[in-house]
Amino acid sequence: DAKTTQPTSMDCAEGRAANLPCNHSTISGNEYVYWYRQIHSQGPQYIIHGLKNNETNEMASLIITEDRKSSTLILPHATLRDTAVYYCIVRVASFGNEKLTFGTGTRLTIIP
Amino acid sequence: NAGVTQTPKFQVLKTGQSMTLQCAQDMNHNSMYWYRQDPGMGLRLIYYSASEGTTDKGEVPNGYNVSRLNKREFSLRLESAAPSQTSVYFCASSKADRGNEKLFFGSGTQLSVL
Repeated sequence: DAKTTQPTSMDCAEGRAANLPCNHSTISGNEYVYWYRQIHSQGPQYIIHGLKNNETNEMASLIITEDRKSSTLILPHATLRDTAVYYCIVRVASFGNEKLTFGTGTRLTIIP
Repeated sequence: NAGVTQTPKFQVLKTGQSMTLQCAQDMNHNSMYWYRQDPGMGLRLIYYSASEGTTDKGEVPNGYNVSRLNKREFSLRLESAAPSQTSVYFCASSKADRGNEKLFFGSGTQLSVL
């Protein structure tokens, strides 16, 4: 699975959009980009994933560059409950085996 | 639905003691996983079970054994606990029928080995 690079930490004002970048310059054509978050030592929570098209769900939007070498997770209106560590993961879709390799992620702090 | 349930939530062991961490899911998922997370680190995969009756090693399997008891349950056993196994342990499951499914995680077991 391709390696990812994320900033160690970021701050965002409450109510503003939080934009979390991820670099995955060695991504292969069949690798998906996944985002999970972990709130204060709870189990990680799935946010969103995509292959090459931009994706949006009730939690966030995922913007993947045309060359797929980087992506941005967007939380449109950040709240204090969005304070968490956010993990960007890339992996090949593999039937019967969704194992993920976690890095150290980005610690996002929402400022009141 | 409870999702993924782990027991116990906290445990303190002495070096050399054994114990089993239990995990059960009620989502009829095919695959289950055990991860550990050390302070300030990301999660690392210990073992996984792609389907009932199969288990495979992950990134850090040494010192652990697993049992996929049935489709619902996947246990992690420490035969002789060591201080290096002090960590938070997370169990996860996924449907695993399309190849790009998301994982659902339990709330974790905080284990201290003295």
